[in-house]
Amino acid sequence: AAGVIQSPRHLIKEKRETATLKCYPIPRHDTVYWYQQGPGQDPQFLISFYEKMQSDKGSIPDRFSAQQFSDYHSELNMSSLELGDSALYFCASSPGSSGHEQYFGPGTRLTVT
Amino acid sequence: DQQVKQNSPSLSVQEGRISILNCDYTNSMFDYFLWYKKYPAEGPTFLISISSIKDKNEDGRFTVFLNKSAKHLSLHIVPSQPGDSAVYFCASYQGGSEKLVFGKGTKLTVNP
Repeated sequence: AAGVIQSPRHLIKEKRETATLKCYPIPRHDTVYWYQQGPGQDPQFLISFYEKMQSDKGSIPDRFSAQQFSDYHSELNMSSLELGDSALYFCASSPGSSGHEQYFGPGTRLTVT
Repeated sequence: DQQVKQNSPSLSVQEGRISILNCDYTNSMFDYFLWYKKYPAEGPTFLISISSIKDKNEDGRFTVFLNKSAKHLSLHIVPSQPGDSAVYFCASYQGGSEKLVFGKGTKLTVNP
């Protein structure tokens, strides 16, 4: 079965650079979620989109922005990168908004040097 | 403050025996609970979920029990297999919210 696709899988950036992470949800899933997982930590919710509109927001820094496009894929844009942004970034999707299981992608490992 | 707590960072079980992973929560508004399994370098894989209107949900070798009065849920794996070795996350969200709140995970090791 098709799963959530994330690209790139690994990304190395320097401080103050920008990064764009992409997420392609499972077909017919209209909700996308972004999570950040630091080393040894649990995933922390960043932001979600339902039918291309932001539906909920968590602890996402102002330096980060995201959007969902007409084909339901989503991009997380990160600017002025800091060392502390180094983490695994997971995208998840679900068929509808809250009350559904979220299916996670493999993650993008971002390393900021 | 950790709203979803998994107090055992690790658990070791013999193959064929039962694995019981525990989870406590503090937010009484949580109404949907999920368990995820995670291997290194992979995303969390959904295992099983339970709504707050139920106290048990079963799917093959996996059963989740919910005790709302105690704000406690547990995942039972019977029989345990070496391939079950992974980190298990308990997660929850309240109705109307998109945000999944995770526990810190329990690393399960099933020994052959």
